[in-house]
Amino acid sequence: GENVEQHPSTLSVQEGDSAVIKCTYSDSASNYFPWYKQELGKGPQLIIDIRSNVGEKKDQRIAVTLNKTAKHFSLHITETQPEDSAVYFCAAAFTGGGNKLTFGTGTQLKVEL
Amino acid sequence: NAGVTQTPKFQVLKTGQSMTLQCAQDMNHEYMSWYRQDPGMGLRLIHYSVGAGITDQGEVPNGYNVSRSTTEDFPLRLLSAAPSQTSVYFCASSYSGGSTLYEQYFGPGTRLTVT
Repeated sequence: GENVEQHPSTLSVQEGDSAVIKCTYSDSASNYFPWYKQELGKGPQLIIDIRSNVGEKKDQRIAVTLNKTAKHFSLHITETQPEDSAVYFCAAAFTGGGNKLTFGTGTQLKVEL
Repeated sequence: NAGVTQTPKFQVLKTGQSMTLQCAQDMNHEYMSWYRQDPGMGLRLIHYSVGAGITDQGEVPNGYNVSRSTTEDFPLRLLSAAPSQTSVYFCASSYSGGSTLYEQYFGPGTRLTVT
């Protein structure tokens, strides 16, 4: 089955700096890569996703890049703000497998003032 | 829309007890799933359903049962709770579009402790 590795497990940045979280996947059939943000005591919420026919996608301060050859994808957050502090999860799925997501182990992002 | 709702928010069980975690969605989503979240392990898929009357196993199904009698509800049953089932449980739902994968919406979670 699919295996998703995520690094780092914790990340601390100063407000205004950029943050990068990286994930690798094992199954070349995976073609959908969402990123979820989980605030304390809440369920995960989708912040951005990318499909295998696209190399990069941006939404305001958030961007995701995908390298299919290397089987890795990354989340980039620019101009970080205190409200960006949360746990971020990457995930992978493929269209032939229903909507079953395989998650990474999560990154605790702390944005310090 | 209420989105995805889960009850209860917290539950403490003794080993061997049974219980049902409730999940409901009001978005007319065909796909529903249950995940468990443990420290350092991300979220792992327990069971999922692609429509009423259809369920299948995920990555960690042992010790859990599900059924899907309506589009809205997808309860998760623990028949004989074990300490290893102490976890936070999340229900999720999404549209199911064949070759297209859609955003999954997660509920607020149920924190279960088995003593």
